[in-house]
Amino acid sequence: QKEVEQNSGPLSVPEGAIASLNCTYSDRGSQSFFWYRQYSGKSPELIMSIYSNGDKEDGRFTAQLNKASQYVSLLIRDSQPSDSATYLCAVKSEYSSASKIIFGSGTRLSIRP
Amino acid sequence: NAGVTQTPKFRILKIGQSMTLQCTQDMNHNYMYWYRQDPGMGLKLIYYSVGAGITDKGEVPNGYNVSRSTTEDFPLRLELAAPSQTSVYFCASSWSREETQYFGPGTRLLVL
Repeated sequence: QKEVEQNSGPLSVPEGAIASLNCTYSDRGSQSFFWYRQYSGKSPELIMSIYSNGDKEDGRFTAQLNKASQYVSLLIRDSQPSDSATYLCAVKSEYSSASKIIFGSGTRLSIRP
Repeated sequence: NAGVTQTPKFRILKIGQSMTLQCTQDMNHNYMYWYRQDPGMGLKLIYYSVGAGITDKGEVPNGYNVSRSTTEDFPLRLELAAPSQTSVYFCASSWSREETQYFGPGTRLLVL
């Protein structure tokens, strides 16, 4: 079992709709969760971080965390063509070293006009 | 601030050659990291450093070496390039292990 799993996609969503990206993780000790966006040929950039159960909203983005079920999701409202990118989920355990930051392989999101 | 800079942007190596990938950050971050990203895959941690003079192995360190003589610089050394090291290499930095990692633009390496 992979430590951080994401559906590779591509996930195709019409412009203006809600895009839902999911990520599951295997380490129950994980405490920090991150979503990075990566445009083709570019470096990853952080868009959301979440540390406690529930929802965290930032503009059109909402991160949702459920530690009991070991999943974290990212919702993108009013999807725009500029949201087309690969979204990487990253998970870090609180009491381990930096070497335990694990990235998923990413979900490719395509917003169709 | 330039953030995290990496050189070169692209390089072709022959099997057995060596090279150093440069990484510099101007944010006075303590933590620095080297990742590799293979096509369609996530990031794999190669080495990291928590401060000048301190480095440690990540998930995939074999075939690589690092040094951290200053806060700003964290070069990655490939001694004997192999085709399996063909990848995109990203350097990143953060203030602490809890804080956001900022990534450089990447170095695309092709080993033939």
